[in-house]
Amino acid sequence: DVKVTQSSRYLVKRTGEKVFLECVQDMDHENMFWYRQDPGLGLRLIYFSYDVKMKEKGDIPEGYSVSREKKERFSLILESASTNQTSMYLCASASNTEAFFGQGTRLTVV
Amino acid sequence: AQRVTQPEKLLSVFKGAPVELKCNYSYSGSPELFWYVQYSRQRLQLLLRHISRESIKGFTADLNKGETSFHLKKPFAQEEDSAMYYCALRPSGTYKYIFGTGTRLKVLA
Repeated sequence: DVKVTQSSRYLVKRTGEKVFLECVQDMDHENMFWYRQDPGLGLRLIYFSYDVKMKEKGDIPEGYSVSREKKERFSLILESASTNQTSMYLCASASNTEAFFGQGTRLTVV
Repeated sequence: AQRVTQPEKLLSVFKGAPVELKCNYSYSGSPELFWYVQYSRQRLQLLLRHISRESIKGFTADLNKGETSFHLKKPFAQEEDSAMYYCALRPSGTYKYIFGTGTRLKVLA
């Protein structure tokens, strides 16, 4: 009963590459999120979308952009990947009672 | 500022011992508070919400507005409780979640 699916579990990219992380949810939620998970820093919100084509910056949006063309899909874009963007990326979608998370994408930028 | 503080990075207890994972928050309004858990190789999932006042897997958490705390407790820890625990705040009127830095619980045999 997988509800939030991230397209890749592991990615290795080179510095300067444009990177796309994809996330799909099947619960018809309006609200979707991208977080970064780093040891000792917890989950930090990168971007948030509350409807199709609507987005809001989170706490650490620098170096990232997002796209929400369809309700079920929320994409995170690293315009020019850098080594300090090596991290675990978590996508989530939320109802009014709970957030549901994807399995995460571990991105390594070399 | 809206913030969630989990002061312990790591908490080790023996099986059968009581567990308390601390969470303090900073928020001027009426918050919704949650505990999320991530077991090894599994996705992050909801453990409990303060508003439902449930006990899940033996865990309870009480919102103390005076102390701005939402500590997670279990009277007798089990090995399968070993996981990463995150406290989260959702400000009223939004769907955004603000997470703490997490506490890793290790239950020793």
